[in-house]
Amino acid sequence: AQTVTQSQPEMSVQEAETVTLSCTYDTSESNYYLFWYKQPPSRQMILVIRQEAYKQQNATENRFSVNFQKAAKSFSLKISDSQLGDTAMYFCAFMRYTSYDKVIFGPGTSLSVIP
Amino acid sequence: NAGVTQTPKFRILKIGQSMTLQCTQDMNHNYMYWYRQDPGMGLKLIYYSVGAGITDKGEVPNGYNVSRSTTEDFPLRLELAAPSQTSVYFCASLPGQYSYSNQPQHFGDGTRLSIL
Repeated sequence: AQTVTQSQPEMSVQEAETVTLSCTYDTSESNYYLFWYKQPPSRQMILVIRQEAYKQQNATENRFSVNFQKAAKSFSLKISDSQLGDTAMYFCAFMRYTSYDKVIFGPGTSLSVIP
Repeated sequence: NAGVTQTPKFRILKIGQSMTLQCTQDMNHNYMYWYRQDPGMGLKLIYYSVGAGITDKGEVPNGYNVSRSTTEDFPLRLELAAPSQTSVYFCASLPGQYSYSNQPQHFGDGTRLSIL
């Protein structure tokens, strides 16, 4: 069975600094998707970034980038130039390539951006 | 375009009561999902549907029922509310099975449910 682990329950970062959130996962699959979702206090679930496992190039979306290490089963999220609006829960999620019913979420990391 | 709409936003139930959480989407998405999020935890899949008339169990289906009579609506039913069902419930949708590669899952704003 697939599992997703986020070992940092809480983190904080100074505004304008860079922070990295960790995620590891366990799977025997070779094709899959990985996601980072952001959940601000409003409780909305917002997709931040996605990575297809067959792509070697790390995904980037503006200030957000990932470090995808397939062999190590690691998928960390780097937030550059942190902004107050980045304060939120961040969830790492895994989905097998052909299985729309098996999105596995990690327990989340609560990120606070300090002015 | 409203996206995924969930009602109500908040509800308090007594043990043993029943209720239906409503979810509707106006994007003509085939795939719809119900998740629950317990405090300090990620989302867990309760039920999902791949189209009208087709539903299946997710990771934590016990105590819940669903139906999908139309593409737009995917209500979640609690028959005998229990304190363990206190949670935040999210409905989500996708256009189709392989849409994760180019479209994200659309989430509703959630329903906070307390069972006392």
